[in-house]
Parts: sequence; C-alpha cells; structure tokens
Amino acid sequence: GAVVSQHPSRVICKSGTSVKIECRSLDFQATTMFWYRQFPKQSLMLMATSNEGSKATYEQGVEKDKFLINHASLTLSTLTVTSAHPEDSSFYICSASGGGSLNTEAFFGQGTRLTVV
Amino acid sequence: GQNIDQPTEMTATEGAIVQINCTYQTSGFNGLFWYQQHAGEAPTFLSYNVLDGLEEKGRFSSFLSRSKGYSYLLLKELQMKDSASYLCAVSYYGNNRLAFGKGNQVVVIP
Repeated sequence: GAVVSQHPSRVICKSGTSVKIECRSLDFQATTMFWYRQFPKQSLMLMATSNEGSKATYEQGVEKDKFLINHASLTLSTLTVTSAHPEDSSFYICSASGGGSLNTEAFFGQGTRLTVV
Repeated sequence: GQNIDQPTEMTATEGAIVQINCTYQTSGFNGLFWYQQHAGEAPTFLSYNVLDGLEEKGRFSSFLSRSKGYSYLLLKELQMKDSASYLCAVSYYGNNRLAFGKGNQVVVIP
C-alpha cells in the first residue's frame, strides 16, 4: 500500500501556543487529505477535508480559525492548532487518498499525540 | 448525518473465532471499511466492501448487506496480537470521507 508519513508523532506545548502537524504522502500524489481527531476510547472524528490548492472543508462544529489547514502541494498537508488549550489535547490523525487505483482507499499517517499543558 | 453502531468490547480465547458486527445508517453510501487499531497507533486497513457478500482475506473475512445496513468482520484462529480495537467506517459522498464507529475492543486471552 501507499505510505503516509505524519510528523511529529508526539508534541507537548504550553497553553496559548500554536502547533503545526505535517502529513506527507511519500510515494503517491494525494489529491485529498483528511484530518481526524480521536479522544481516548472514542471514535475517530473527521475534522476537515482538504483538497490541493483549495480551501479546506470543515465539519460542523470544527472552528476553522483555530484549526488551520493548508494543502499547498499534492504531497503535503499541514494542520496548525492555534492558541492551543488543554482541551485540544488529543490524538490527531491524517489520511490521504489519490487518484486511479489509489482512489478507493484512504491511507493513514501514524498519528500525532498532542498534549497541551 | 451518519450513524454507525458497534458493540464496545468482547473477550475471546486464542484460536477461537469472533464476529464483530456493525450497523449503519448513512446517505450517499459508497462502501464500508474495517480497520484494526492498537492503542496509541493509527488505524491499519483490513478490508473494504462495496457489493453485498463476503470478502475473504486470510484469517479475516468481511460481509456486507447494503439493504440491511449491516456488516460484520470475522476473525479466525485468533492470535494474541489480534488484541486491538476494530473500527467499522463508512465511506460516503465520494472523495473517501469516512465516518467511523466507536470501535470494538477485542481482548484475546490464552
């Protein structure tokens, strides 16, 4: 399968600061990338869908000014958590899908454990 | 909206067979995925069903009934490493948007 790399895997930041998480498709061009958040023992919740070169589409209840998404190229999307607070502590996971034979499946990154103190 | 329902937890013995059920209500249904997730890690793809019927892949099989909004994942010859959460996810409205169930935690005991 295709490889998606997410960085960093863990980050601890102070309340009020911003954190950037990167999601890269290493061996395919990802026309669409997705960002999910998962709280302990809960399901993955889709936050937003980003398409290369256009604005991200946010799910209901997700603040687009707080969770900035940039998908500047076909291999990279970034999620920036701005002015982070302890309640933003969570597991953030990206996934990417491409065209052709890669269109059916979304491939997941390793996830980022964010802890805001 | 999307509604996906899974039982939360089950325990099974090594070597046994377990069936994990998933029911869903969704609009714009494209297909159904099963993922395995170990604690603190990202989900790993197991199977994908689009048409009704059974898909078999080694020790894992997945079944789909679109008319009933129902799927199950069958795990055979359970191994200790199969202890994980199993997530049912529905793909909807194209573009690979996924709505996940809460996952079923399977605990394998000797």
